[in-house]
Amino acid sequence: KQEVTQIPAALSVPEGENLVLNCSFTDSAIYNLQWFRQDPGKGLTSLLLIQSSQREQTSGRLNASLDKSSGRSTLYIAASQPGDSATYLCAVSRRSGSEKLVFGKGTKLTVNP
Amino acid sequence: GAGVSQSPSNKVTEKGKDVELRCDPISGHTALYWYRQSLGQGLEFLIYFQGNSAPDKSGLPSDRFSAERTGGSVSTLTIQRTQQEDSAVYLCASSLGTGYNSPLHFGNGTRLTVT
Repeated sequence: KQEVTQIPAALSVPEGENLVLNCSFTDSAIYNLQWFRQDPGKGLTSLLLIQSSQREQTSGRLNASLDKSSGRSTLYIAASQPGDSATYLCAVSRRSGSEKLVFGKGTKLTVNP
Repeated sequence: GAGVSQSPSNKVTEKGKDVELRCDPISGHTALYWYRQSLGQGLEFLIYFQGNSAPDKSGLPSDRFSAERTGGSVSTLTIQRTQQEDSAVYLCASSLGTGYNSPLHFGNGTRLTVT
């Protein structure tokens, strides 16, 4: 059974700092890995999707890496801003007739001005 | 619409009553998912629809839960004889579908409170 773990559960940093969020998964037979952002009372917003054949994806100040063999992914946020404060979730999918995602419990990020 | 729409946004019901939650996916998305998010817990997969294929119901927690998707578009999640442990945020998501390796787009969810 696939399990996804995110460490740390919460992180507080000053504005402008670069930071890394970690995600690990137990079964390396994944189809893709996605990073999401969730603001309080809202649904999830997809940030980055890394296909199993890829090593990383970048979007603006965000960079996500994937090491499938070791079961790890990182989300790097450069020059953090207060608006980045949210819960960040990673999820992996295994294509076996349905691409349902298995989620971690998330990292709650607070960027202090 | 531009995004996934869910209604109602909030629902308070008495224990034992039935509830229906609605999801309008993004136009053209053939895959539709229901997830449940409980306080302090991660997202729990409930059910997945892909085109005309039989749905993957493997995540439904009990036979009180059912879902349908009519015409390949709108989906309804029904919870019969609600219990207090059903209280959670129910999230719907859609994507282009199997084989496209496309990201999931989520609605804002329905917050269900069973009193």
